[in-house]
Amino acid sequence: SQTIHQWPATLVQPVGSPLSLECTVEGTSNPNLYWYRQAAGRGLQLLFYSVGIGQISSEVPQNLSASRPQDRQFILSSKKLLLSDSGFYLCAWRIQAINEKLFFGSGTQLSVL
Amino acid sequence: QKEVEQNSGPLSVPEGAIASLNCTYSDRVSQSFFWYRQYSGKSPELIMSIYSNGDKEDGRFTAQLNKASQYVSLLIRDSQPSDSATYLCAVNGRIKAAGNKLTFGGGTRVLVKP
Repeated sequence: SQTIHQWPATLVQPVGSPLSLECTVEGTSNPNLYWYRQAAGRGLQLLFYSVGIGQISSEVPQNLSASRPQDRQFILSSKKLLLSDSGFYLCAWRIQAINEKLFFGSGTQLSVL
Repeated sequence: QKEVEQNSGPLSVPEGAIASLNCTYSDRVSQSFFWYRQYSGKSPELIMSIYSNGDKEDGRFTAQLNKASQYVSLLIRDSQPSDSATYLCAVNGRIKAAGNKLTFGGGTRVLVKP
């Protein structure tokens, strides 16, 4: 069966520090991968998606970047965090076929102070 | 106009009653529809998917889809306090859209009172 791992669960970082969040999927090949952010009390905002190794699409301009160095690995990064980067970050995966279900990792609660 | 709209709530429901959640979407060619449950501080959990007009039942949950009206709903029968959560509606848009992305509504918060 497929599983998705996301870490760390919580992170407190000072403004201006770098960020690296990692996500890996097991039990499937060539998945679509996604990074979402959820600000407190808000809906899900799609940040990045990837349909293959090295292929990254950005949905919104921001202080963040993403990379997919391996088929089942997705990384979210920042060189210098802003206060506005605080939020709940969710990695998700989906089989590359129409109408397939989207599954989320357990999320990372990021607080930038 | 938002692509996927939900009433933010909170929807207050007595224990044992039926909770009715609604979701409308703007893209007429949307193909698939999903309901997620999200507890506070946790990630969304898929509870229902529906692809064809009509009703689909799974345990205490029933999803209803009306593509002509661009409307999808979720019924929770015999509501329990453990059903208290935010319910997210998600819609898969145009066929072969880049990234095969889902668009999420803002969620409806449900409170089931004992």
